[in-house]
Amino acid sequence: GENVEQHPSTLSVQEGDSAVIKCTYSDSASNYFPWYKQELGKGPQLIIDIRSNVGEKKDQRIAVTLNKTAKHFSLHITETQPEDSAVYFCAASIRSGYNKLIFGAGTRLAVHP
Amino acid sequence: DADVTQTPRNRITKTGKRIMLECSQTKGHDRMYWYRQDPGLGLRLIYYSFDVKDINKGEISDGYSVSRQAQAKFSLSLESAIPNQTALYFCATSDPWGREETQYFGPGTRLLVL
Repeated sequence: GENVEQHPSTLSVQEGDSAVIKCTYSDSASNYFPWYKQELGKGPQLIIDIRSNVGEKKDQRIAVTLNKTAKHFSLHITETQPEDSAVYFCAASIRSGYNKLIFGAGTRLAVHP
Repeated sequence: DADVTQTPRNRITKTGKRIMLECSQTKGHDRMYWYRQDPGLGLRLIYYSFDVKDINKGEISDGYSVSRQAQAKFSLSLESAIPNQTALYFCATSDPWGREETQYFGPGTRLLVL
């Protein structure tokens, strides 16, 4: 069935380093790929998204890349800060009568001062 | 004020009890969703509703029911709670006339079934 695999499940970096989280998806018809950040005690918040007609999108320290051929996409955070510590979820849209989102299992990012 | 609110934020109940989780939104979105989050499993869709008269099952609807009382309100019920329904539950909304795939989440309800 349709699924999204996300790696790594945990990631620990030093403040100022870069962090990369990778996801692969199974449905070649997927055309929308959002990334959500979930802080402790809060719901997931959209931080960036990309559509299948572009290969890369950047917003300040955050960037997302998409490789449609390989069916994978990645989140890149540069110059990490302690406030980047959170759980990050990738998702891919699945067209099955409506635009459903399939989520990855999440990556717990810890940024150490 | 938050655009998507959920009540209660935390709930402890016993096996066999019926409980209801409520979601309200002020975003004016037609589409609403209920998800369940378990450690290591991400977010899984329980039910979704495209408008007041349109309700659909998601991946894991067994043991749950929903009610869409108005455009702004979408409730999730556990008819007879069991321990493996212990989880974090999220409500979400999306706008079919805008960026329809983008979903906006509430703060969640943490449920413990003893």
